[in-house]
Amino acid sequence: TQLLEQSPQFLSIQEGENLTVYCNSSSVFSSLQWYRQEPGEGPVLLVTVVTGGEVKKLKRLTFQFGDARKDSSLHITAAQPGDTGLYLCAGAGGGGADGLTFGKGTHLIIQP
Amino acid sequence: GAGVSQSPSNKVTEKGKDVELRCDPISGHTALYWYRQSLGQGLEFLIYFQGNSAPDKSGLPSDRFSAERTGGSVSTLTIQRTQQEDSAVYLCASRFPGLASDTQYFGPGTRLTVL
Repeated sequence: TQLLEQSPQFLSIQEGENLTVYCNSSSVFSSLQWYRQEPGEGPVLLVTVVTGGEVKKLKRLTFQFGDARKDSSLHITAAQPGDTGLYLCAGAGGGGADGLTFGKGTHLIIQP
Repeated sequence: GAGVSQSPSNKVTEKGKDVELRCDPISGHTALYWYRQSLGQGLEFLIYFQGNSAPDKSGLPSDRFSAERTGGSVSTLTIQRTQQEDSAVYLCASRFPGLASDTQYFGPGTRLTVL
């Protein structure tokens, strides 16, 4: 069974600070996705990274896929209260079921 | 509709009862997935439908769980003889295979509480 470990599990910081969330696995994935989920809603896709070493930027969010395609990070610069939510990473194409393999998520709270 | 819809949004049931959860995928999306999200456990893959192919049921936790997809569109997840450990949010997602992206679009989920 493929596992994706996310850290930290919980993070509460002040508005304006920077943060990094990590997603690690011993398995190789053909692609890795980051989702953001708000209470009462389903996860919403933020980005998909496919190539080892790939870096994608989405405004203040920077996503990186490890060279070996086993790990990824999400860095948020100058966090805003609107960034609050559950951030999930999910790996695809690792074999087995077509469903994504999700990490347990990072609960992020940005305090004004 | 514009997105994936699920019903009911909340379901409270007594232990031992059967429940049915419904998912309406995005029109034209041939792939449909069910996931379970328990508190602190992330998303757990349950079952996957792709067109007219036999579904991938490898994630179903027990034979009390089953799912159907009629006409390649609406899907129903059935849990028989519910147990308290079945309490979770059940999420449905759909995807249009063939696009470059593996994007799955999620519904808002059904929160199931088994008393």
